Amino acid sequence: EVLLVESGGGLVQPGGSLRLSCAASGFTFTNYDMHWVRQAPGKGLEWVSGIGNADDTYYGGSVKGRFTISRENAKNSLYLQMNSLRAGDTAVYFCARSNSYADFGMDVWGQGTTVIVSS
Amino acid sequence: EIVLTQSPGTLSLSPGERATLSCRASQSVSNSYLAWYQQKPGQAPRLLIHGASSRATGIPDRFSGSGSGTDFTLTISRLEPEDFAVYYCQQYGSSPLTFGQGTKLEIK
Repeated sequence: EVLLVESGGGLVQPGGSLRLSCAASGFTFTNYDMHWVRQAPGKGLEWVSGIGNADDTYYGGSVKGRFTISRENAKNSLYLQMNSLRAGDTAVYFCARSNSYADFGMDVWGQGTTVIVSS
Repeated sequence: EIVLTQSPGTLSLSPGERATLSCRASQSVSNSYLAWYQQKPGQAPRLLIHGASSRATGIPDRFSGSGSGTDFTLTISRLEPEDFAVYYCQQYGSSPLTFGQGTKLEIK
């Protein structure tokens, strides 16, 4: 079964840091680009960051310079290091995959992990 | 950054009716890299359409996508009770990837 499972969410104070993880299973991880997408309470979807299978990285404007995406292919894992967190970063964070070699969209998503930034 | 504007914001229809959702881009979407997702409360988004018009694996054929350039449409030919949800379009042709604000499809 193809699965993505996020972890690492929690409550953090403004200015703090948090590292999210996404464990992938059931597919060849190195054949896929990976993404983080977030959803603030009651709001729509916002793409946060993506990483290609050659470790090329991309960021949305609201997180550039504060968040760092990385992957560890040997562990089939995706990470998001979040620094200088703000109240506006409060959201459910989803990881998702997209095929590196063909257009199939973001076809598999995790269930999400919740990040709350509050004092 | 490509801004995607979805309309209407809310669509009220009855089961069995046809739904037409619109997504307009602020500039042309490269290679028609436009996707549609369905999201129900408390769940992750579900991919319906990629490449503007290709149905994802396992998606019923009552869902169809069309369009190119800056104007895209998701059509649900005959609404089933399980289709009432929020729908998002997304462009992935250029970075940053962007989503529309969503259309809520509610039961009339």
